[in-house]
Amino acid sequence: AQSVAQPEDQVNVAEGNPLTVKCTYSVSGNPYLFWYVQYPNRGLQFLLKYITGDNLVKGSYGFEAEFNKSQTSFHLKKPSALVSDSALYFCAVSSILYNTNAGKSTFGDGTTLTVKP
Amino acid sequence: DGGITQSPKYLFRKEGQNVTLSCEQNLNHDAMYWYRQDPGQGLRLIYYSQIVNDFQKGDIAEGYSVSREKKESFPLTVTSAQKNPTAFYLCASSQGGPGIGYTFGSGTRLTVV
Repeated sequence: AQSVAQPEDQVNVAEGNPLTVKCTYSVSGNPYLFWYVQYPNRGLQFLLKYITGDNLVKGSYGFEAEFNKSQTSFHLKKPSALVSDSALYFCAVSSILYNTNAGKSTFGDGTTLTVKP
Repeated sequence: DGGITQSPKYLFRKEGQNVTLSCEQNLNHDAMYWYRQDPGQGLRLIYYSQIVNDFQKGDIAEGYSVSREKKESFPLTVTSAQKNPTAFYLCASSQGGPGIGYTFGSGTRLTVV
């Protein structure tokens, strides 16, 4: 089985400050990790993914995420937050041992990020 | 532009009525998925399909049905057996394989009236 936990329902930061949205995972075998963003009444948009290689992954809109195998974490970060970053963020995990060709991902419950001017 | 189209954007269903949500993709993706989103509960997998004419139940398939007669299309029917259908429904596709991310449609909001 595989699972994802996003321990914070809500994260509030001031514009210009760094932001972190936390994600921990549980999976058998090597994980494939993803971050998506959702704006109100819209579908999810892919931000970045970790497959293998460097633990620091860079993605869209200046976001990055750090893979930490020992802590089974994949926290999303941005050095300087913008008001337009305010949205709902989802972490997701998949693995070859959970499903082979289907590529099914398991999603966390989401974290609402609010960036205040 | 390649992408996934879900229609309608808003749908209202009467008690005891079946409704069908459309999902069409022109990305030539093999795998397609249906998720249900409720506030505070994240995304829950309803059905998925890896290839044409084949589909599998997800975690909450009861009260739903799907078909995959064409690679581009994966419609979801919400039947009268689904007791609490009011939710936001998201369709996604991918090339398949665990390391491939999803492309999502813009969703259909279903409300029971």
